[in-house]
Amino acid sequence: RKEVEQDPGPFNVPEGATVAFNCTYSNSASQSFFWYRQDCRKEPKLLMSVYSSGNEDGRFTAQLNRASQYISLLIRDSKLSDSATYLCVVNIGGTGGFKTIFGAGTRLFVKA
Amino acid sequence: NAGVTQTPKFRILKIGQSMTLQCTQDMNHNYMYWYRQDPGMGLKLIYYSVGAGITDKGEVPNGYNVSRSTTEDFPLRLELAAPSQTSVYFCASSWTANTGELFFGEGSRLTVL
Repeated sequence: RKEVEQDPGPFNVPEGATVAFNCTYSNSASQSFFWYRQDCRKEPKLLMSVYSSGNEDGRFTAQLNRASQYISLLIRDSKLSDSATYLCVVNIGGTGGFKTIFGAGTRLFVKA
Repeated sequence: NAGVTQTPKFRILKIGQSMTLQCTQDMNHNYMYWYRQDPGMGLKLIYYSVGAGITDKGEVPNGYNVSRSTTEDFPLRLELAAPSQTSVYFCASSWTANTGELFFGEGSRLTVL
């Protein structure tokens, strides 16, 4: 089982749609969680951190369920510019060591 | 503010050749990393550094070497290039070890033929 698993997609949605991505992680010692966005042939960039209480940034909402060990990203009112690959990232560990695990990513295509 | 700068952006190598991917950051970050990204796969950590003079192996270090003589620079050396090293390489840096944002360079596309 992969340490971080994402549905690879692709998700093809029309503009204005709401789309949700899920990510599951296997290590219960995971401490911090992030969503990164990666455009085609570009570097990943931080989209948002994911907090236990859930957090929202404009059209984007991230949630964490520690009991079920999954993270979600909801995008409302999708724009053409949201087309990208979304990477789930999990940090494991604490003092003396840490490990950052990247999911393989979920591809999103938003069409007019 | 340049952030993380990688060179070269593209390179084709022959099997057995060696090369160095350069990475420099101007944010005074202590933590620096080298990742590789293969199609359909998550980024894999090759090596990382927690400060000048300190480096450690990541998940896939074989065939690579690094050095960290200054806070700014973290070059990655490929010795005896193999086709399995064909990949996109990303250098990254961060303020903290596991809670902060990773800042990536634009990537270096390497093909070994």
